[in-house]
Amino acid sequence: KQEVTQIPAALSVPEGENLVLNCSFTDSAIYNLQWFRQDPGKGLTSLLLIQSSQREQTSGRLNASLDKSSGRSTLYIAASQPGDSATYLCAVRKLTGGGNKLTFGTGTQLKVEL
Amino acid sequence: GAVVSQHPSWVICKSGTSVKIECRSLDFQATTMFWYRQFPKQSLMLMATSNEGSKATYEQGVEKDKFLINHASLTLSTLTVTSAHPEDSSFYICSAGGASDTQYFGPGTRLTVL
Repeated sequence: KQEVTQIPAALSVPEGENLVLNCSFTDSAIYNLQWFRQDPGKGLTSLLLIQSSQREQTSGRLNASLDKSSGRSTLYIAASQPGDSATYLCAVRKLTGGGNKLTFGTGTQLKVEL
Repeated sequence: GAVVSQHPSWVICKSGTSVKIECRSLDFQATTMFWYRQFPKQSLMLMATSNEGSKATYEQGVEKDKFLINHASLTLSTLTVTSAHPEDSSFYICSAGGASDTQYFGPGTRLTVL
């Protein structure tokens, strides 16, 4: 059974800092990995999706890397801003017969302070 | 981008009553929809996968007679929580998958059972 863990569970940083969020998964046979952002009481916003054949993806101040063999992914946020405060979730996708499922990590709650 | 809506956004009901939550894909056809549950400060847990025109596939430990899922069309799936109890209080999120392996998430429904 796939298990996805995120470290740290919570993080508080001053504005402007660069930071790294970690995601690890136990079964390396994944199709792709996706990072999401969730604001309190809201749904999910997709940030980056990395296919299993890729090493990294970038979007603006966000950079996600994937090391499938070691079961790890990192989300790098450059020059953090208060608006980045949210819970960040990683999820791995494994294709199964008739569909695909996402297994979510435990989440990292980020607070960026002025 | 693809938009998924949920209705209602929040609901409060008495113990023993049934509650129906709707999930709609607004601008695309979703052959598969997923239902997740999220308890406070926890990650999303997949409850079931529904395919249009067929029975839903439930994850281990999810009672199919309690959580009724109907996916009658390519744009609508419903989750009915039957005989709801306080322990069913949670944040329910649906997602819809189109032709690709991407899932588009709804904004979630907050259920509170008194």
